[in-house]
Amino acid sequence: EVQLVETGGGLVQPGRSLKLSCVASGFTFNNYWMSWTRQAPGKGLEWVASITNSGGSTYYPDSVKGRFTISRDNAQNTLYLQMNSLRSEDTATYYCTRDHYGSDYWGQGVMVTVSS
Amino acid sequence: DIQMTQSPSFLSASVGDRVTINCKASQNINRYLNWYQQKLGEAPKLLIYNANSLQTGIPSRFSGSGSGTDFTLTISSLQPEDVATYFCLQHNSWPWTFGGGTKLELK
Repeated sequence: EVQLVETGGGLVQPGRSLKLSCVASGFTFNNYWMSWTRQAPGKGLEWVASITNSGGSTYYPDSVKGRFTISRDNAQNTLYLQMNSLRSEDTATYYCTRDHYGSDYWGQGVMVTVSS
Repeated sequence: DIQMTQSPSFLSASVGDRVTINCKASQNINRYLNWYQQKLGEAPKLLIYNANSLQTGIPSRFSGSGSGTDFTLTISSLQPEDVATYFCLQHNSWPWTFGGGTKLELK
């Protein structure tokens, strides 16, 4: 059974940093691209970052480019999202997803609140 | 960026009804369109990938169609457990973009 478990969320002040983690199980992690997608409270979904299975290439939308960094440790079956210079508009639930024909499996999500 | 316009944003239907939800892309996305179901307080669940392929374990009352810029999700006979918000996702080109969602309720 595919499982994705996100951790690392919480309350953080504007301008500060936070690092999310996602531990994967139930599939061969290093065979799949992975992504992060977020959902602001009561809002729709926004793709945040993707990484190839080797970690050699990464992709971001303009809204987070230069502030967020996606990475992975294939030996530990873990995906990361380093978020710097956080803004109030980054407040959202962040989902880790496995990518196969788009995102096929999603974690339960972790809440990030950016507020002073 | 490719804009995904989803309609309607809200839908009320009765058990047994045939329900259709649409997504229109601002440019050609071939068949790289997925449909997701999100129940209150839960993560999204993949229903349909690549426009018309049913994800494993999803009931056959769900189907998808379309290509290019116009896509449709159909629920052939609405069940009470289908109450949810539905989203489309284009994964043809970066940045991936989602439709705004359709909230489906029982009449």
